[in-house]
Order: sequence, then structure tokens, then C-alpha cells
Amino acid sequence: AQSVSQHNHHVILSEAASLELGCNYSYGGTVNLFWYVQYPGQHLQLLLKYFSGDPLVKGIKGFEAEFIKSKFSFNLRKPSVQWSDTAEYFCAVSPNSGGYQKVTFGTGTKLQVIP
Amino acid sequence: GAGVSQTPSNKVTEKGKYVELRCDPISGHTALYWYRQSLGQGPEFLIYFQGTGAADDSGLPNDRFFAVRPEGSVSTLKIQRTERGDSAVYLCASSLSPLPKAKNIQYFGAGTRLSVL
Repeated sequence: AQSVSQHNHHVILSEAASLELGCNYSYGGTVNLFWYVQYPGQHLQLLLKYFSGDPLVKGIKGFEAEFIKSKFSFNLRKPSVQWSDTAEYFCAVSPNSGGYQKVTFGTGTKLQVIP
Repeated sequence: GAGVSQTPSNKVTEKGKYVELRCDPISGHTALYWYRQSLGQGPEFLIYFQGTGAADDSGLPNDRFFAVRPEGSVSTLKIQRTERGDSAVYLCASSLSPLPKAKNIQYFGAGTRLSVL
């Protein structure tokens, strides 16, 4: 079974600082990878996804993530954060195999951006 | 509706009681998922429906938990003899189809916060 590790539980940054949130997964085969975001008082929403192809994935609101297969990683990055990026970020993985793929989430990273 | 709707948004119950949580997926989405999110954790998979059938219920923690989707749209998660450890946010998600992958983007509802006293 797959698993996901997010080592940063709580990150505090000043506005305009660069962001990198770590995500490592464990699975023996090929995977689909996701980052979801939950803004305060809102539901989970998809930030970006990787299925195949270019390992550098661009998402909404200036976020990007890079899939490094050799490191089993899918770190989330943003060059310059804004106060409105304050949210909880979840990395998720599913096996890239035929049929239904169960999605497994990490424990999340709370990002607080200070104006 | 425009998104996944879950009712109620909050449910407080006493230990031992029975509860039902409802999920109304996005119109046309054939796949529906239930997750449980405990404090400080990510969503944990419970059950997956494709149409009316439960295609994967391997995440249900025990036989007190049951879910149905009789007409392939609205789903109800049922918890019998609730325990304090059942307190969590129960999330529902739907997707257009499990395949192809491009359609397997799960859209989440706001969740039901269940508190068992």
C-alpha cells in the first residue's frame, strides 16, 4: 500500500518569501500525485496534479511542483507567497494502474503567511 | 448544484446513538468517495462508490460503519452505536469517472463535523 509523508507540519513565512513544502511517498510502482489546499473555512480543492509527462507541474495561483522519481518526492513550490496563501496543504498519491486508484493523503502542512 | 453538498455541516450526538451523514455529489459524477479526517491528520479513505455499488469499502473501520448510494447519486454514511473515537470531519468527494485519469479529479464537499459526546 502507498503512503505519504509531509515532514513540515507548520510553516511560517513572511510575505514575498519563497515556499517549498516537502512531500515524499512510498509505493513500488508508478504513481499519480496531487497537491490539495484547504483555505480557512473552505473545502479541500485541487492545487495541481501529476499523471505523466513533464515532471514539473504548474498549478493555480503560481504554485508548481516537481516530481523527482529517484527521490520519491513531489515538493510544492512558490517563488513569492502572499498573505492569501495562508492555508493547509495536503500532498496525495494514488497508484497509476488500470482501474480505480485509491488516493492516500499526507497529514498536511499548515502554512501561515505573515503580512 | 455547483459543488458537492454535505449535510448536516455539524452533528453532535451522544455515545451509542445512530447517525446518518448525507452527501449530494456534483451532477453527472459517477464516482463518489467518503473520507474521515481526524484532528491533525489528512483525509483517510473510507469507501468508494462507482454508480450504485460500493466498489471498495476497505477503509471502513468496522461493521458499525455502512454507506449506501441506492440511485447512484446521493450517498448516506451511516454510523451505528457511535463512539467518542468516531468524532471527526467526514468528507465526501465525487469525480466524473475513475477513468481515464484526467477525469479522476476528486472534488470535495465542506464536510460534516461529527462530535460524539
